Amino acid sequence: GENVEQHPSTLSVQEGDSAVIKCTYSDSASNYFPWYKQELGKRPQLIIDIRSNVGEKKDQRIAVTLNKTAKHFSLHITETQPEDSAVYFCAASIYDMRFGAGTRLTVKP
Amino acid sequence: NAGVMQNPRHLVRRRGQEARLRCSPMKGHSHVYWYRQLPEEGLKFMVYLQKENIIDESGMPKERFSAEFPKEGPSILRIQQVVRGDSAAYFCASSPESGARDTQYFGPGTRLTVL
Repeated sequence: GENVEQHPSTLSVQEGDSAVIKCTYSDSASNYFPWYKQELGKRPQLIIDIRSNVGEKKDQRIAVTLNKTAKHFSLHITETQPEDSAVYFCAASIYDMRFGAGTRLTVKP
Repeated sequence: NAGVMQNPRHLVRRRGQEARLRCSPMKGHSHVYWYRQLPEEGLKFMVYLQKENIIDESGMPKERFSAEFPKEGPSILRIQQVVRGDSAAYFCASSPESGARDTQYFGPGTRLTVL
Protein backbone atom coordinates (compact mmCIF):
# COMPACT_ATOMS: atom_id res chain seq x y z
CA GLY A 1 0.00 0.00 0.00
CA GLU A 2 0.88 3.65 -0.10
CA ASN A 3 3.53 4.96 2.29
CA VAL A 4 3.96 8.70 2.85
CA GLU A 5 6.98 10.20 4.56
CA GLN A 6 7.05 13.80 5.75
CA HIS A 7 9.93 16.03 6.78
CA PRO A 8 10.78 17.80 8.96
CA SER A 9 8.80 16.69 11.99
CA THR A 10 9.23 20.10 13.61
CA LEU A 11 9.98 23.46 12.03
CA SER A 12 10.48 26.80 13.71
CA VAL A 13 10.68 30.02 11.70
CA GLN A 14 10.65 33.72 12.40
CA GLU A 15 7.56 35.67 11.46
CA GLY A 16 7.83 36.81 7.86
CA ASP A 17 10.16 34.00 6.82
CA SER A 18 9.18 31.16 4.50
CA ALA A 19 8.48 27.58 5.57
CA VAL A 20 8.86 24.49 3.42
CA ILE A 21 7.57 21.03 4.25
CA LYS A 22 8.41 18.04 2.05
CA CYS A 23 6.71 14.69 1.49
CA THR A 24 7.53 11.61 -0.50
CA TYR A 25 5.18 8.82 -1.50
CA SER A 26 5.72 5.28 -2.66
CA ASP A 27 2.84 4.39 -4.98
CA SER A 28 3.23 5.93 -8.43
CA ALA A 29 -0.51 5.43 -9.00
CA SER A 30 -1.35 8.09 -6.38
CA ASN A 31 -2.95 11.01 -8.14
CA TYR A 32 -4.24 13.37 -5.46
CA PHE A 33 -2.12 15.20 -2.88
CA PRO A 34 -3.88 17.33 -0.26
CA TRP A 35 -2.40 19.28 2.62
CA TYR A 36 -4.20 19.67 5.93
CA LYS A 37 -3.63 22.08 8.79
CA GLN A 38 -4.55 20.97 12.29
CA GLU A 39 -4.59 23.37 15.20
CA LEU A 40 -4.42 22.02 18.72
CA GLY A 41 -7.56 20.11 19.64
CA LYS A 42 -9.26 20.81 16.33
CA ARG A 43 -10.08 18.92 13.19
CA PRO A 44 -7.74 18.77 10.19
CA GLN A 45 -8.66 21.47 7.68
CA LEU A 46 -7.89 21.17 3.99
CA ILE A 47 -5.73 24.13 2.97
CA ILE A 48 -4.61 23.24 -0.53
CA ASP A 49 -4.48 20.23 -2.82
CA ILE A 50 -2.90 19.27 -6.11
CA ARG A 51 -3.67 16.61 -8.67
CA SER A 52 -1.19 14.63 -10.68
CA ASN A 53 -1.75 16.52 -13.90
CA VAL A 54 -0.52 19.77 -12.35
CA GLY A 55 3.03 20.62 -11.28
CA GLU A 56 2.34 23.64 -9.08
CA LYS A 57 -0.61 25.34 -7.46
CA LYS A 58 -0.72 28.57 -5.50
CA ASP A 59 -3.28 30.15 -3.20
CA GLN A 60 -2.19 33.48 -1.72
CA ARG A 61 0.68 32.74 0.66
CA ILE A 62 0.66 28.97 0.24
CA ALA A 63 1.81 26.91 -2.70
CA VAL A 64 2.30 23.26 -3.42
CA THR A 65 4.65 21.69 -5.93
CA LEU A 66 4.56 18.14 -7.25
CA ASN A 67 7.30 16.11 -8.89
CA LYS A 68 5.73 12.87 -10.10
CA THR A 69 8.95 11.46 -11.46
CA ALA A 70 10.65 11.75 -8.09
CA LYS A 71 7.43 11.03 -6.21
CA HIS A 72 7.65 14.01 -3.93
CA PHE A 73 5.60 17.09 -3.23
CA SER A 74 6.14 20.13 -1.06
CA LEU A 75 4.19 22.81 0.77
CA HIS A 76 5.55 26.35 0.73
CA ILE A 77 4.26 29.06 3.06
CA THR A 78 5.59 32.55 2.45
CA GLU A 79 5.46 35.57 4.79
CA THR A 80 4.60 33.33 7.71
CA GLN A 81 2.44 34.68 10.53
CA PRO A 82 1.98 33.43 14.11
CA GLU A 83 -1.46 32.10 13.19
CA ASP A 84 0.22 29.73 10.74
CA SER A 85 1.51 27.82 13.77
CA ALA A 86 -0.09 24.37 13.66
CA VAL A 87 0.60 20.78 12.63
CA TYR A 88 0.58 20.27 8.87
CA PHE A 89 -0.14 16.90 7.27
CA CYS A 90 0.47 15.86 3.72
CA ALA A 91 -1.42 12.96 2.17
CA ALA A 92 -1.41 10.89 -0.99
CA SER A 93 -4.44 9.22 -2.42
CA ILE A 94 -5.50 6.77 -5.07
CA TYR A 95 -8.87 5.71 -3.69
CA ASP A 96 -8.29 6.39 -0.02
CA MET A 97 -5.82 8.60 1.69
CA ARG A 98 -2.60 7.88 3.54
CA PHE A 99 -1.15 10.65 5.68
CA GLY A 100 2.35 11.71 6.53
CA ALA A 101 3.30 11.85 10.21
CA GLY A 102 2.91 15.63 10.37
CA THR A 103 5.10 18.70 10.78
CA ARG A 104 4.70 20.95 13.79
CA LEU A 105 5.29 24.48 12.53
CA THR A 106 5.99 27.25 15.03
CA VAL A 107 6.12 30.83 13.82
CA LYS A 108 7.85 33.09 16.32
CA PRO A 109 6.69 36.71 16.46
CA ASN B 1 -24.82 23.35 4.70
CA ALA B 2 -23.75 21.57 7.86
CA GLY B 3 -20.31 20.05 7.86
CA VAL B 4 -19.36 16.58 8.97
CA MET B 5 -20.90 15.87 12.36
CA GLN B 6 -19.53 13.54 14.98
CA ASN B 7 -20.88 12.60 18.36
CA PRO B 8 -20.18 12.38 21.09
CA ARG B 9 -17.30 14.84 21.12
CA HIS B 10 -15.89 13.28 24.26
CA LEU B 11 -16.44 9.74 25.49
CA VAL B 12 -15.14 8.14 28.65
CA ARG B 13 -15.27 4.40 29.07
CA ARG B 14 -13.87 1.92 31.56
CA ARG B 15 -11.81 -1.00 30.40
CA GLY B 16 -14.01 -3.76 29.01
CA GLN B 17 -16.91 -1.49 28.04
CA GLU B 18 -18.07 -0.77 24.53
CA ALA B 19 -17.61 2.52 22.70
CA ARG B 20 -19.86 3.67 19.87
CA LEU B 21 -18.81 6.62 17.79
CA ARG B 22 -21.14 8.21 15.27
CA CYS B 23 -20.45 10.17 12.13
CA SER B 24 -22.92 11.97 9.88
CA PRO B 25 -21.32 12.96 6.57
CA MET B 26 -21.89 16.24 4.80
CA LYS B 27 -25.06 16.49 2.76
CA GLY B 28 -24.50 14.90 -0.63
CA HIS B 29 -21.54 12.85 0.56
CA SER B 30 -21.77 9.08 0.42
CA HIS B 31 -18.19 8.14 1.23
CA VAL B 32 -17.05 7.96 4.85
CA TYR B 33 -13.57 7.38 6.22
CA TRP B 34 -12.48 6.78 9.81
CA TYR B 35 -9.05 7.74 11.18
CA ARG B 36 -7.42 7.35 14.57
CA GLN B 37 -5.04 9.91 15.97
CA LEU B 38 -2.96 9.16 19.02
CA PRO B 39 -1.66 12.13 21.04
CA GLU B 40 1.17 13.93 19.22
CA GLU B 41 0.88 11.58 16.26
CA GLY B 42 -0.51 11.58 12.74
CA LEU B 43 -3.77 10.33 11.29
CA LYS B 44 -3.95 6.58 10.77
CA PHE B 45 -6.44 5.31 8.23
CA MET B 46 -8.83 2.73 9.64
CA VAL B 47 -11.71 2.08 7.24
CA TYR B 48 -13.45 3.43 4.14
CA LEU B 49 -17.18 2.88 3.71
CA GLN B 50 -19.89 3.71 1.26
CA LYS B 51 -23.56 3.27 2.01
CA GLU B 52 -24.06 -0.33 3.23
CA ASN B 53 -20.59 -1.38 2.02
CA ILE B 54 -17.13 -1.60 3.53
CA ILE B 55 -14.72 -0.73 0.73
CA ASP B 56 -11.38 -0.92 2.55
CA GLU B 57 -10.84 -1.96 6.14
CA SER B 58 -7.12 -2.59 5.86
CA GLY B 59 -6.36 -0.18 8.71
CA MET B 60 -8.82 -1.64 11.14
CA PRO B 61 -7.59 -3.89 13.96
CA LYS B 62 -8.81 -7.42 13.35
CA GLU B 63 -10.45 -7.79 16.73
CA ARG B 64 -12.85 -5.64 18.75
CA PHE B 65 -13.28 -2.97 16.05
CA SER B 66 -16.10 -2.81 13.54
CA ALA B 67 -17.68 -0.16 11.35
CA GLU B 68 -20.88 0.24 9.43
CA PHE B 69 -22.61 2.82 7.28
CA PRO B 70 -26.26 1.81 7.00
CA LYS B 71 -28.68 2.93 4.34
CA GLU B 72 -30.29 5.26 6.84
CA GLY B 73 -28.51 7.03 9.65
CA PRO B 74 -24.93 7.81 10.56
CA SER B 75 -21.83 5.72 10.20
CA ILE B 76 -20.90 3.91 13.41
CA LEU B 77 -17.44 2.92 14.60
CA ARG B 78 -17.77 0.35 17.34
CA ILE B 79 -15.03 -0.69 19.73
CA GLN B 80 -15.80 -3.64 21.97
CA GLN B 81 -14.06 -4.39 25.26
CA VAL B 82 -12.04 -1.19 25.18
CA VAL B 83 -8.49 -1.11 26.53
CA ARG B 84 -6.36 1.85 27.59
CA GLY B 85 -4.50 1.76 24.28
CA ASP B 86 -7.74 2.65 22.50
CA SER B 87 -7.62 6.13 24.02
CA ALA B 88 -7.27 8.48 21.07
CA ALA B 89 -9.09 10.98 18.92
CA TYR B 90 -11.21 9.33 16.25
CA PHE B 91 -11.95 11.45 13.20
CA CYS B 92 -14.29 10.69 10.41
CA ALA B 93 -14.21 12.38 7.03
CA SER B 94 -16.56 12.35 4.09
CA SER B 95 -16.27 12.96 0.38
CA PRO B 96 -18.86 13.54 -2.33
CA GLU B 97 -20.47 11.02 -4.64
CA SER B 98 -19.33 12.88 -7.73
CA GLY B 99 -16.89 15.59 -8.67
CA ALA B 100 -13.88 15.68 -6.37
CA ARG B 101 -14.59 12.28 -4.86
CA ASP B 102 -11.26 12.14 -3.13
CA THR B 103 -11.50 15.51 -1.37
CA GLN B 104 -12.19 14.66 2.24
CA TYR B 105 -13.69 16.95 4.85
CA PHE B 106 -13.17 16.11 8.49
CA GLY B 107 -15.54 16.11 11.41
CA PRO B 108 -14.56 17.58 14.79
CA GLY B 109 -13.54 14.19 16.16
CA THR B 110 -14.49 12.08 19.16
CA ARG B 111 -11.95 11.99 21.95
CA LEU B 112 -12.13 8.60 23.61
CA THR B 113 -10.63 8.16 27.05
CA VAL B 114 -10.43 4.68 28.53
CA LEU B 115 -9.98 4.60 32.28
